[in-house]
Amino acid sequence: ETGVTQSPTHLIKTRGQQVTLRCSSQSGHNTVSWYQQALGQGPQFIFQYYREEENGRGNFPPRFSGLQFPNYSSELNVNALELDDSALYLCASSGRYGAGPLGSQYFGPGTRLLVL
Amino acid sequence: KQEVTQIPAALSVPEGENLVLNCSFTDSAIYNLQWFRQDPGKGLTSLLLIQSSQREQTSGRLNASLDKSSGRSTLYIAASQPGDSATYLCAVWAASGGGADGLTFGKGTHLIIQP
Repeated sequence: ETGVTQSPTHLIKTRGQQVTLRCSSQSGHNTVSWYQQALGQGPQFIFQYYREEENGRGNFPPRFSGLQFPNYSSELNVNALELDDSALYLCASSGRYGAGPLGSQYFGPGTRLLVL
Repeated sequence: KQEVTQIPAALSVPEGENLVLNCSFTDSAIYNLQWFRQDPGKGLTSLLLIQSSQREQTSGRLNASLDKSSGRSTLYIAASQPGDSATYLCAVWAASGGGADGLTFGKGTHLIIQP
């Protein structure tokens, strides 16, 4: 069984640029969630995708957007990067309507984004 | 709005001790509570998941309890080892919003086990 994978592992951008982060779900999982974890903090929920549609969103501005593809992989796009966007971005997959105990989320290793 | 608090923020103990990490949450309407481990600069590893109808879960030296009515959970680690050193995060999945609100995390307990 393949776990959750994310790419790239590290990324450096400058303020105002745009970035795309990618995630491949664990096999059999149809729901993907994205989280932002600032240094020393717990992860904060950005949004969730189920069957290619966003069906839940945390307190993040519209410049944070995403996609989910038919194979359940996902992208997180951030426009107009700000210094405070520097964080570890975590992707989690879950089998909301299928695999695994209800609600259990399986996390990838994360992408470390630094905005200069 | 669901809030999760973890106490203590940091803990350093000698190897072999039994220890308890605490987690509290403000809204008892949850689907489940999950404990994670995070090593420095890494992603999260799920340790234990307790559904809202359950009272506890055990895995090896780990035991987690849930008291939904009081909004509390504890993670008990028996016979601690240096390899247990990590940050431990508690997260709840809120029932409000139909489960589409993601997990709400605490800030974690940074645990150091001294050899």
